[in-house]
Order: sequence, then C-alpha cells, then structure tokens
Amino acid sequence: QSVLTQPPSVSAAPGQKVTISCSGSSSNIGNNYVSWYQHLPGTAPKLLIYDNDERPSGIPDRFSGSKSGTSATLGITGLQTGDEADYYCGTWDNSLSAVVFGGGTKLTVL
Amino acid sequence: EVQLLESGGGLVQPGGSLRLSCAASGFTFSGYAMSWVRQAPGKGLEWVSAITSSGGTIYYAGSVKGRFTISRDNSKNTLYLQMNSLRAEDTAVYYCAKILRNKYMDVWGKGTTVTVSS
Repeated sequence: QSVLTQPPSVSAAPGQKVTISCSGSSSNIGNNYVSWYQHLPGTAPKLLIYDNDERPSGIPDRFSGSKSGTSATLGITGLQTGDEADYYCGTWDNSLSAVVFGGGTKLTVL
Repeated sequence: EVQLLESGGGLVQPGGSLRLSCAASGFTFSGYAMSWVRQAPGKGLEWVSAITSSGGTIYYAGSVKGRFTISRDNSKNTLYLQMNSLRAEDTAVYYCAKILRNKYMDVWGKGTTVTVSS
C-alpha cells in the first residue's frame, strides 16, 4: 500500500487530454513539493515535473502539474502513442523521513 | 553528458549479500545528494535510500533499514549500496538517481537487476 494514492490506470484517445491524480496527507504533499516521473519498464525513469508545476528543459508543455492542499495532478494534453507509460508522483514525507512515491498510473493511449 | 551507470546486480541466495555500484559522470558528483530506488517485478517504484553530498546524512526506507547500507566515494564519483540479509522480496531492478536541490531526482540510471532466489 503506497503512501500516495494514484489511480491504477487511465486511458484516452490520441489528441485528447488526461489527468492523473495523486493524493496524500499533510505530512507529505501538504507540506512539500511534488515531482512527477514517466517510466517505461526496463528504461530509466524520466523527471517530468518538479516543484509541483515546473517542467525541466526538454519536457514539452503538453505536460503540466498542479497542487492543491494534499493532492497533486499531472495533466497531459495532445496525447500521443509515445506517451504510453507508467507515471509516478513523488515527494518527501516528514513523518517517515523518507521519499514516498504513488503506486503508479498506467496510461493507455487508445 | 550527465550519466549514471549501475552495476553489481545478479542472482544471490536468500540471506546472502551483494554490493551495487553507480558510476557517475558529466557532473560534479560531490555536489549532489544521491538516491537508490527499486522496482520489483510487476510493482511500482519504491524509494530505498538517500545520502547527502558529503555523506553526512543518510536516510533509509523502513523495509531495508538495518540490512542495507548506502555510501559514496566522491573521489571515485561512485555511489554504493551494500545489501545484506537479502530476501526474496528484495528482488527488483535497482536504479540510482541524482537528487537536485534536495527535492527531486532529475537524472536516473538504467538500473541493475537483483534476483534473490535459491
């Protein structure tokens, strides 16, 4: 059972928009910055979003992040088949003194 | 180019030990905190451990505390993970990651596979 809660899967058609939620508590998301990672099994995970809503250079603006209270959201617009991957939210947990990840969300582009 | 290359994975019996290494290049290794993250078969990412740039502060996940030891050699630009008393549930791909601003992991390696089985 992950400390952060994500939906196991989401799907949408090419060109459409999808959002992935990440729910936590005051000991993690509520008082710390959230980051998002894209992962294709067998490859290196990639940082998509940091500090809740900032994109590293090279990440297209189709990817966006937001945070409100103890929840965060990753948004992806203009879906492409190449976006099919697992997506994880992550942050620091003050009570555990540990990095915590969500359980991951598998994105399918139909 | 910033690069992290893990090595040292393999097959080990339950109760055995293994040491993973992560060779860093393309950045000033001594200036950054580093972390290990793993992914068990069919499971999500699980954070394992982190160490500050100087090695002065270390954190562990509860699942590995007392069995795993993270360390670094800044003169060799290398991060280590000593894994003792290994269990079947430690079977996973182990990734090392560079931590930026002590908040997020901006560069990841491709991982090394550890299999704990008799």
